[in-house]
Amino acid sequence: KAGVTQTPRYLIKTRGQQVTLSCSPISGHRSVSWYQQTPGQGLQFLFEYFSETQRNKGNFPGRFSGRQFSNSRSEMNVSTLELGDSALYLCASSLEGGPNYGYTFGSGTRLTVV
Amino acid sequence: GESVGLHLPTLSVQEGDNSIINCAYSNSASDYFIWYKQESGKGPQFIIDIRSNMDKRQGQRVTVLLNKTVKHLSLQIAATQPGDSAVYFCAENLNYGQNFVFGPGTRLSVLP
Repeated sequence: KAGVTQTPRYLIKTRGQQVTLSCSPISGHRSVSWYQQTPGQGLQFLFEYFSETQRNKGNFPGRFSGRQFSNSRSEMNVSTLELGDSALYLCASSLEGGPNYGYTFGSGTRLTVV
Repeated sequence: GESVGLHLPTLSVQEGDNSIINCAYSNSASDYFIWYKQESGKGPQFIIDIRSNMDKRQGQRVTVLLNKTVKHLSLQIAATQPGDSAVYFCAENLNYGQNFVFGPGTRLSVLP
């Protein structure tokens, strides 16, 4: 079966711009979680969506937002980009979320803010 | 490939030897743990999991040990192979919550 697909793979944006990243989960998976990965902070949880509702949220500013569509595909948006937003953004899907065999991660979107 | 972590602790082992990667987790209430492997340019890949009512679980060439007394997890890889070279993360799930907290990671380097 197809894995988790994230697009685009690479992105370069200018400070102050906004960006939208996309994640298509494994077919049948209803939970999509987003993580930010940086060399300094490691993997940090952004938010989780389940059945089009944000179910859990990490400690990121309001510039980071997301949504989920009826087909479980998810997007995350970062507005007013800062240099520190440069990171690998990973999404992960699971059937129901929570402790059920963990996640399946996508390969990520590498965002560079210049 | 992309750098996962420039200053991660590194474990170097000879090909064929056993590897032990350690992780201290943060919350004594965590009840589910996973080890992930991340290769350059890829997302983390599930290796093995363990619930808090167990202290050991074995998979193919891998064993996870859980010591709840000292909040410590370890991942043992038998007969380490070049393809095992990657960054390894432990992750804990807090009280059946919907997100995992990841450790900082350890880079495993397999020497020929």
